[in-house]
Amino acid sequence: DARVTQTPRHKVTEMGQEVTMRCQPILGHNTVFWYRQTMMQGLELLAYFRNRAPLDDSGMPKDRFSAEMPDATLATLKIQPSEPRDSAVYFCASGFEGLDSPLHFGNGTRLTVT
Amino acid sequence: AQSVTQLGSHVSVSEGALVLLRCNYSSSVPPYLFWYVQYPNQGLQLLLKYTSAATLVKGINGFEAEFKKSETSFHLTKPSAHMRDAAEYFCAVSGNAGNMLTFGGGTRLMVKP
Repeated sequence: DARVTQTPRHKVTEMGQEVTMRCQPILGHNTVFWYRQTMMQGLELLAYFRNRAPLDDSGMPKDRFSAEMPDATLATLKIQPSEPRDSAVYFCASGFEGLDSPLHFGNGTRLTVT
Repeated sequence: AQSVTQLGSHVSVSEGALVLLRCNYSSSVPPYLFWYVQYPNQGLQLLLKYTSAATLVKGINGFEAEFKKSETSFHLTKPSAHMRDAAEYFCAVSGNAGNMLTFGGGTRLMVKP
């Protein structure tokens, strides 16, 4: 059963450190999304890729966050420097392009910044 | 712009009772609507989707949802709740930008024995 794989599952780091989260989308999917989930804000879209090209990263704080897809099997989300307010669960999702195509979510990376 | 509103951040039902989770949407284009479920420490799983083929959509685990354009609603129902249905449920809409989803705030369903 194909699934989206995210690593690490948990990350605890100190303020100011760099954090890198990785995602392996389902093979063949050509869209990849990063969402952030917090109690206060719910699910927020951070970045959206189609065919590895970034289409929308308007939800991402540009000064410290960056998202890339070095190849079709890997998406990364980096935070540098990290801050306590970045503590959240970060989800990667992938899907086929198409309005009715559902997204498949990974199990998330739970980030705690102290 | 698209948006989704889920009425009730928490819903509590007794086991065996009807489950009704409410979702209203706003969209300037014909919407595609989805319900997802999230169990603790897991990602979101697709329950069902509406893509204009039929207004009543059946999903997994006995859930179904009805699209009502006149009410801009897509409420999720299940005739008889089970303990394993306790989870958080998200309604989502796409249609403006490919398969990018805009999510509602979520409804946490609690099932009492």
